[in-house]
Amino acid sequence: RKEVEQDPGPFNVPEGATVAFNCTYSNSASQSFFWYRQDCRKEPKLLMSVYSSGNEDGRFTAQLNRASQYISLLIRDSKLSDSATYLCVVRSRGSQGNLIFGKGTKLSVKP
Amino acid sequence: GAVVSQHPSWVICKSGTSVKIECRSLDFQATTMFWYRQFPKQSLMLMATSNEGSKATYEQGVEKDKFLINHASLTLSTLTVTSAHPEDSSFYICSVTRDILFNEQFFGPGTRLTVL
Repeated sequence: RKEVEQDPGPFNVPEGATVAFNCTYSNSASQSFFWYRQDCRKEPKLLMSVYSSGNEDGRFTAQLNRASQYISLLIRDSKLSDSATYLCVVRSRGSQGNLIFGKGTKLSVKP
Repeated sequence: GAVVSQHPSWVICKSGTSVKIECRSLDFQATTMFWYRQFPKQSLMLMATSNEGSKATYEQGVEKDKFLINHASLTLSTLTVTSAHPEDSSFYICSVTRDILFNEQFFGPGTRLTVL
C-alpha cells in the first residue's frame, strides 16, 4: 500500500461547482497533514494545513479523520484559477520534517 | 517575493556529464534544506536532507556518490548529478524550512534536467 494515496482524477468541473478530494495515508504515526497545490511544471505551494478539528480558509475546507486515516479537501464556488494539481502531504512523527507526498489530484475548472 | 531560488531553471546535457544545481534560501538562514525529485505524473520523492556543516542524509535507494550534496552555508545548498544518464532526467526541487517543527516547507521553483 502506498504511503499516501489520492485519486489522480482529472476532475473536470464547471465554474461555481463544489468539488471534494480525498486522501488516505498508511502510517498511523503521521503527525502533520497538509494540502499543497502544484501548477503545471511549477513547484508545490502550501494551500493549507489540516487540523483534527477541521479548518476552513475562504472557499477551502480541510478535514482530518485520524481513525480512518483519511484527509479531505473541499473547494466551494470553484474558480478557473483553481485549476491545478492538489497534493495530499503527510509528515510522520519523529522525522526530520520529511514530507510524504501523494501523486496529486488534478482539477480542471471550465468556464 | 520568492523565499527560495534555484539555478538553473532548466538544463540539457549530454550523457556522462555532471550537472550542478544551486538552491538558495533568500529570506532566512536554513540549517536544513531538502532535495526532491519528481518524474512525470509521479509524486515528489525526497532524495536527501541537507544539513549545513555536516553530511547529507540520503533516502533509501538514492546513491550518495551519484548525487553529491554540499551545504556549505546557511543559505546555499548544491546538488551535483554526476555522470548523468537519461534516466536521471527529472524535475529537481529543493525546499527550506523556517522552524524546527518543519510545519511549512518553502519550495524552490525547480530545475528541469534533461539528459540526452
